[in-house]
Amino acid sequence: DAGVTQSPTHLIKTRGQQVTLRCSPKSGHDTVSWYQQALGQGPQFIFQYYEEEERQRGNFPDRFSGHQFPNYSSELNVNALLLGDSALYLCASSLARVTGELFFGEGSRLTVL
Amino acid sequence: DAKTTQPPSMDCAEGRAANLPCNHSTISGNEYVYWYRQIHSQGPQYIIHGLKNNETNEMASLIITEDRKSSTLILPHATLRDTAVYYCIVRVWANNAGNMLTFGGGTRLMVKP
Repeated sequence: DAGVTQSPTHLIKTRGQQVTLRCSPKSGHDTVSWYQQALGQGPQFIFQYYEEEERQRGNFPDRFSGHQFPNYSSELNVNALLLGDSALYLCASSLARVTGELFFGEGSRLTVL
Repeated sequence: DAKTTQPPSMDCAEGRAANLPCNHSTISGNEYVYWYRQIHSQGPQYIIHGLKNNETNEMASLIITEDRKSSTLILPHATLRDTAVYYCIVRVWANNAGNMLTFGGGTRLMVKP
């Protein structure tokens, strides 16, 4: 049973560029959340997708957007990259009716130069 | 969600029990206590959660005080692989309540030989 898979694992971008990160949830899960984790800090909630719609959003600017596909996989897009966007981006999946127990992927490490 | 307070770091001898405390003095009656851990370079891993009764699973035990203002996560026989940052999170449990978990600084547990 595959867990949560994310791609790419590492990537380097320059300021002003755009990036797309991808996530496949754990088999049977229908809800995907995205978190940003800066070095030395705990993860910060970006947003959650369920039934292909954004259901909940944390305190992140509109430069951060996402999408969920009919197969429940998801993408995180970040436009106009800033140096401060350098972080580990974590995807977590769950069943909508079972809250709180999230399964996280290994993350995508983004470095913005 | 209620705020939690955890010691920044703790040491534990391999094979001994690791007791990780968490204060959540402003917890509400409908808020659960969740514990996650994050091993270096991996995504967070769900450990256990509870409301007011003590809980045990194959990974750990959760002891919640009667007034619910604090809790303790117990790893009964710590191994070197338990070295990680442990996060105590308090949040409402409800269908479709969302997957916004508020991670604090956590406790960095170092298990030593």
